[in-house]
Amino acid sequence: TQLLEQSPQFLSIQEGENLTVYCNSSSVFSSLQWYRQEPGEGPVLLVTVVTGGEVKKLKRLTFQFGDARKDSSLHITAAQPGDTGLYLCAGISNFGNEKLTFGTGTRLTIIP
Amino acid sequence: KAGVTQTPRYLIKTRGQQVTLSCSPISGHRSVSWYQQTPGQGLQFLFEYFSETQRNKGNFPGRFSGRQFSNSRSEMNVSTLELGDSALYLCASTLEGVKNTEAFFGQGTRLTVV
Repeated sequence: TQLLEQSPQFLSIQEGENLTVYCNSSSVFSSLQWYRQEPGEGPVLLVTVVTGGEVKKLKRLTFQFGDARKDSSLHITAAQPGDTGLYLCAGISNFGNEKLTFGTGTRLTIIP
Repeated sequence: KAGVTQTPRYLIKTRGQQVTLSCSPISGHRSVSWYQQTPGQGLQFLFEYFSETQRNKGNFPGRFSGRQFSNSRSEMNVSTLELGDSALYLCASTLEGVKNTEAFFGQGTRLTVV
């Protein structure tokens, strides 16, 4: 069974601070995605990383895929209240299954 | 274009009953996946349908089933409901599967079993 562990599980920080969320697995994934989910809504895709070592930036968000394609991180610079939400990583397997394996989630709260 | 539509948004059922949830994907999308989201287990994959065929299945008991129609709309059914089936059920719509195309999620159906 492929598992994706996210840390921290909960994070509450002041507006303007920086933060990093981690997503770790013992399994290799062909690609990894990050989603944000807000209350009462489904997850919304933020980014897909495909190549080991790849770094992608989306405004104040920086995503990195580990060299071995087993882990990923999400860094937010100068967090804003609009960044509040549940952040989920999701891996796509090498082995043909059309499914997303989701991480355990990080609930982020940005305090104004 | 219209997004993914799930109906109903909320349901309350009694243990032992059965329930059917519906998902209308984005027009032109042929793959629909279903996920169960609970506080304890997070998001877990139930099954995926592509062109009316179940292509992938997760590790859920046979009480959970689904189908897809020729217009790509999908339904999932849960029979003999248990308290532990209380969850947010999400469907995801993609053109041809998550490996190559972006997944768009609906708002979910919140099922409460009492």
